[in-house]
Amino acid sequence: GAVVSQHPSWVICKSGTSVKIECRSLDFQATTMFWYRQFPKQSLMLMATSNEGSKATYEQGVEKDKFLINHASLTLSTLTVTSAHPEDSSFYICSARGGQGVTEAFFGQGTRLTVV
Amino acid sequence: AQTVTQSQPEMSVQEAETVTLSCTYDTSENNYYLFWYKQPPSRQMILVIRQEAYKQQNATENRFSVNFQKAAKSFSLKISDSQLGDTAMYFCAFMKHSRNNDMRFGAGTRLTVKP
Repeated sequence: GAVVSQHPSWVICKSGTSVKIECRSLDFQATTMFWYRQFPKQSLMLMATSNEGSKATYEQGVEKDKFLINHASLTLSTLTVTSAHPEDSSFYICSARGGQGVTEAFFGQGTRLTVV
Repeated sequence: AQTVTQSQPEMSVQEAETVTLSCTYDTSENNYYLFWYKQPPSRQMILVIRQEAYKQQNATENRFSVNFQKAAKSFSLKISDSQLGDTAMYFCAFMKHSRNNDMRFGAGTRLTVKP
């Protein structure tokens, strides 16, 4: 299957700082990328959907000014957690899909964010 | 909105036995896709099996098969000849048949295969 690389796999940052997470599709063009958040022992909750070259669509309750998503190219999307707080600590997962007709989403390895 | 329900938070099975994980969903769509994903301790999401709603035949992938009941909106996963490596979280997921639609997940079932 296609490969999606997410970086970093884990990060620790101080409260008030910002951290950027990258999601890259290595062998296909990802017209759409999705960002999920997963709390311990819970399911994946969709945060936002980003289409290349346009603004991301955020799910209800997700602060777009706090979770900045950029999808500037067909192979890269970034999630920036701004002014991070301990409650932002979580596991973040991206997934990517190709163009029309592609029914499967490919997932990155996830990023464990710890805010201290 | 689409919802996916997995009513079994945890299950266990003896090695080499068969286990069935349940999933129901709610949608007004007629065309959609259903998936089962496995998430081992590494937390990497791994596609187990996929079903297109317009296909009546149940999907199978080696030891994994589904029982897709469209009218009942049920999509269970059967794992035959369970192996220790099957121990993981299993998520049922729904996706509308439309370009760029997102995938919605159930709460998950933690499966433990016992030796």
